[in-house]
Amino acid sequence: AIQLTQSPSSLSASVGDRVTITCRASQDIASSLAWYQQKPGKAPNLLIYDASNLEYGVPSRFSGSGSGTDFTLTISSLQPEDFATYYCQQFNSFPITFGQGTRLDIK
Amino acid sequence: EVQLVQSGAEVKKPGESLKISCQGSGYPFTFYWIAWVRQMPGKGLEWMGIIYPGDSQTTYSPSFQGQVTLSVDRSISTAFLQWTSLKASDTAIYYCARGGSVASGGNWFDPWGQGTLVTVSS
Repeated sequence: AIQLTQSPSSLSASVGDRVTITCRASQDIASSLAWYQQKPGKAPNLLIYDASNLEYGVPSRFSGSGSGTDFTLTISSLQPEDFATYYCQQFNSFPITFGQGTRLDIK
Repeated sequence: EVQLVQSGAEVKKPGESLKISCQGSGYPFTFYWIAWVRQMPGKGLEWMGIIYPGDSQTTYSPSFQGQVTLSVDRSISTAFLQWTSLKASDTAIYYCARGGSVASGGNWFDPWGQGTLVTVSS
């Protein structure tokens, strides 16, 4: 199975900060990567698909990049509603796998 | 509006059986994969398996193969996740999510159901 390793596992930041979360795959997954945001008590919400495509309705401060084994999710200017846990997911091959999550807290 | 609505919370005893549901609406149900994802208390997301409602083709995660069964009822646009003998370690929130279609190719998940909390306790 393809392993996804996110870093950092947790992160403290302030409103207005630029934040980058990375996701490393254990083998080449081309651009078959998605990013999700999950807030406490809620279902995950799709942010980015195919590594860099912004899902409709997601604010443009979110962006994704990368291909192969190294990927990043960037939030250009943190807003109060962005404090949540973020997951990457690969869909290049079965079994589909998720990263372990990155918890983003208010500093 | 594309929507997945899951059945309500369940409290079961170890050894009991359970079938939870996920009803799709607002899109052609048979054309998109439906995935199931487990989230144990305070933990991350685990992919359990995926089913294509058009022909019931199913792929399971090795971690869940033989432990659960996925199925669909196309007549009511509903997918199911079933256990025959629950364990305390099955306590978790279970999400269904719409995956890709033949046209889109990729199995990213959107939207997600609201989740079903399953509690297994004696």
